[in-house]
Amino acid sequence: DIQMTQSPSSLSASVGDRVTITCRASQSISSYLNWYQQKPGKAPKLLIYAASSLQSGVPSRFSGSGSGTDFTLTISSLQPEDFATYYCQQSYRALTFGGGTKVEIK
Amino acid sequence: QVQLQQSGPGLVKPSQTLSLTCAISGDSVSSNSAAWNWIRQSPSRGLEWLGRTYYRSKWYNDYAVSVKSRITINPDTSKNQFSLQLNSVTPEDTAVYYCAREGYKRIYDAFDIWGQGTMVTVSS
Repeated sequence: DIQMTQSPSSLSASVGDRVTITCRASQSISSYLNWYQQKPGKAPKLLIYAASSLQSGVPSRFSGSGSGTDFTLTISSLQPEDFATYYCQQSYRALTFGGGTKVEIK
Repeated sequence: QVQLQQSGPGLVKPSQTLSLTCAISGDSVSSNSAAWNWIRQSPSRGLEWLGRTYYRSKWYNDYAVSVKSRITINPDTSKNQFSLQLNSVTPEDTAVYYCAREGYKRIYDAFDIWGQGTMVTVSS
């Protein structure tokens, strides 16, 4: 299986901060990388697909970049509703998720 | 809009079979541009993809290696739904189970629609 490693596993930030989360694949996955947001007690929500494409209805403060093995999710200006856990997921071969990054209020 | 509604028991005894159903509205289980997945989440295993069923002129299934010997995912075209059966469960199968649509945009796929989740506990 392709292993997905996210960092950091958690971070503290303030409203208005720029936040960056990274995801590394154990082998090249081209652009087959998706990002999800999950709030407590809820199912994950798709934010970014194909590494950098914004899912319909997702605010433009979310962006994704990268290809091959290294990927980044950026929130340009953190809003109160963005405090959640974020997961990357590869769809290159089999389907695996990263361990998650919890974004908490500083 | 597309919605997925899960149903099934929240408590299963060890060695028995876990069975869940996911009813689809706003799309078709026979769609040629989607796949229908089961994913689970637990503190110890995180988010774990279990398997999928999809129709491309005929039916296909893909299963995760970790559960391949115990899992069956079946479509039900008459009810527009799909099901999960996981045999010989142990307490390690305790998790929140989600159904999810895998949608395709160009050559890329992602889980764009999710069910509400079902907490399943394996205990006697």
